[in-house]
Amino acid sequence: GAGVSQSPSNKVTEKGKDVELRCDPISGHTALYWYRQSLGQGLEFLIYFQGNSAPDKSGLPSDRFSAERTGGSVSTLTIQRTQQEDSAVYLCASSLFAGGFSEQYFGPGTRLTVT
Amino acid sequence: AQSVTQLDSQVPVFEEAPVELRCNYSSSVSVYLFWYVQYPNQGLQLLLKYLSGSTLVKGINGFEAEFNKSQTSFHLRKPSVHISDTAEYFCAVQTDSWGKLQFGAGTQVVVTP
Repeated sequence: GAGVSQSPSNKVTEKGKDVELRCDPISGHTALYWYRQSLGQGLEFLIYFQGNSAPDKSGLPSDRFSAERTGGSVSTLTIQRTQQEDSAVYLCASSLFAGGFSEQYFGPGTRLTVT
Repeated sequence: AQSVTQLDSQVPVFEEAPVELRCNYSSSVSVYLFWYVQYPNQGLQLLLKYLSGSTLVKGINGFEAEFNKSQTSFHLRKPSVHISDTAEYFCAVQTDSWGKLQFGAGTQVVVTP
């Protein structure tokens, strides 16, 4: 079976442009997480979805960041008016259900470079 | 507030030698603890986890970790490493029911012949 997939694998964009990052979770997984991995901040949580709703958006760094999930499956992370500090690897993970007893499976990530 | 500290940013080790990666956490509530591995240009893969029960946890690829509540530690060990164990290793804690993970800064393990 397929794992978590993310697209694009690499994205180079100019400062000020908007970008969309996509995550396809494992089929049937109800929980979906976005994390960001950067040199300065390490691995940090961004947002969590249970089904289509996001009970925890506490990690989104600014109002330029938003995310949605449709049909309880695919999720899109959107960054508006990108800044150089947004350059990072954005990781998506999914799990069968939320909580520690359900393993989070990570995708390969999208490497975002803002020039 | 919770935090995770990985005490070593880089650990060089010779092939077939043992390795220990140190992780300490701070939390005022019960935690679940995890170790993940990240190979170059790949996502994270779960090595092992502690949720409850036995404090010695065995994971994949010959790794094990011991949960020590009094020392708030969750150190990762492997008795004999291979070249293929060269990777970055992350300790993480989960303290809410939604599964949000808080990661340490990572330890880069470099295995040489």
